[in-house]
Amino acid sequence: GENVEQHPSTLSVQEGDSAVIKCTYSDSASNYFPWYKQELGKGPQLIIDIRSNVGEKKDQRIAVTLNKTAKHFSLHITETQPEDSAVYFCAASGDSGNTGKLIFGQGTTLQVKP
Amino acid sequence: EAQVTQNPRYLITVTGKKLTVTCSQNMNHEYMSWYRQDPGLGLRQIYYSMNVEVTDKGDVPEGYKVSRKEKRNFPLILESPSPNQTSLYFCASSLTGRNSPLHFGNGTRLTVT
Repeated sequence: GENVEQHPSTLSVQEGDSAVIKCTYSDSASNYFPWYKQELGKGPQLIIDIRSNVGEKKDQRIAVTLNKTAKHFSLHITETQPEDSAVYFCAASGDSGNTGKLIFGQGTTLQVKP
Repeated sequence: EAQVTQNPRYLITVTGKKLTVTCSQNMNHEYMSWYRQDPGLGLRQIYYSMNVEVTDKGDVPEGYKVSRKEKRNFPLILESPSPNQTSLYFCASSLTGRNSPLHFGNGTRLTVT
């Protein structure tokens, strides 16, 4: 069935360093790949998304890359700050995007040490 | 402010006692969905609705019901809660559902004893 694997499950970096989170997906028909940030006590919040017709997208310190052939995509955060500490989820569209279904990865807890 | 509002935020109940978690969005979104979040499993879809009066099962629908009588509201109903439904629940909405960004509520933490 449809599946998204996310690694690592935890990541600790020093402030100012870069952080990379990787995801692989199983459904070759997936065409939409959002990333969510979840802070303690809150719901996930969209931080960036990418569609299958694009290989890379950047928004200030955040970038996402997509390799459709290999079926994996990654989140890159540069110049990390303590406020980047949170749980990050990747997701891939399921049901060929027709039902709005998202398949989520297991999440990565990012800790940025001051 | 554009938002998805869930109530209650915390709920403790006993096995078998029917409960409803409400969800409302003020963005005129067509699509609404319920997810549950469990450690190590990420978010899993329970039910979704593409529009008013249209609902369908997600990946883990057993033990849950939903209704979509009006566009803004999408309540989640547990007719006879069991301890394995102890979880963190999120309601979400998006403009069309088809590859459009999901907006999440702040969650409802449910404990069933």
